[in-house]
Amino acid sequence: AQSVTQLGSHVSVSEGALVLLRCNYSSSVPPYLFWYVQYPNQGLQLLLKYTSAATLVKGINGFEAEFKKSETSFHLTKPSAHMSDAAEYFCAVSVNSGYSTLTFGKGTMLLVSP
Amino acid sequence: DVKVTQSSRYLVKRTGEKVFLECVQDMDHENMFWYRQDPGLGLRLIYFSYDVKMKEKGDIPEGYSVSREKKERFSLILESASTNQTSMYLCASSVGTSGGQETQYFGPGTRLLVL
Repeated sequence: AQSVTQLGSHVSVSEGALVLLRCNYSSSVPPYLFWYVQYPNQGLQLLLKYTSAATLVKGINGFEAEFKKSETSFHLTKPSAHMSDAAEYFCAVSVNSGYSTLTFGKGTMLLVSP
Repeated sequence: DVKVTQSSRYLVKRTGEKVFLECVQDMDHENMFWYRQDPGLGLRLIYFSYDVKMKEKGDIPEGYSVSREKKERFSLILESASTNQTSMYLCASSVGTSGGQETQYFGPGTRLLVL
């Protein structure tokens, strides 16, 4: 079985500062890894995903994440935070099974101050 | 664009009522999912379906059932609602042909309050 741990339920940054949201996974087989974002009162939308093609994955809105097998990590970064980045971020893991079921982390709320 | 719609954004029900949550997707996706989202717990999978009339239990199926009579529609049923089922319910769909690397597309969610 796979699992995901997101370190920090809340992360606060100033506008223009680096954003770093941490995700560690556990999987007995090579994983697929995802970051989703949820803006207030909305569903989740995909930011980016790792499907083994490249370890550095670029997503929407200037976010990127790097898959590090040795550290079992898939941390999300953005060089410069914007007020509009304030949202909840979820890391998720899947494996190459017949169904695309995801196991989600508990989420990290990103707060951006002016 | 893929569109996943949920029948209600907010719902208030009484304990013991039978509750139906409806989800419709317009992209001919094979897979559909129901999650519940609670603060500090993230999203947890209740049930999913990979074809019409087919269903599989997720991590927390107790107290819920599902129905998929048509490919585009996936219903979540609370047979006898209880206060511990007060939550945000999210529906999602995916293509169903590419295994674990598929993107799931989410609806806006239904916030259910059981009194």
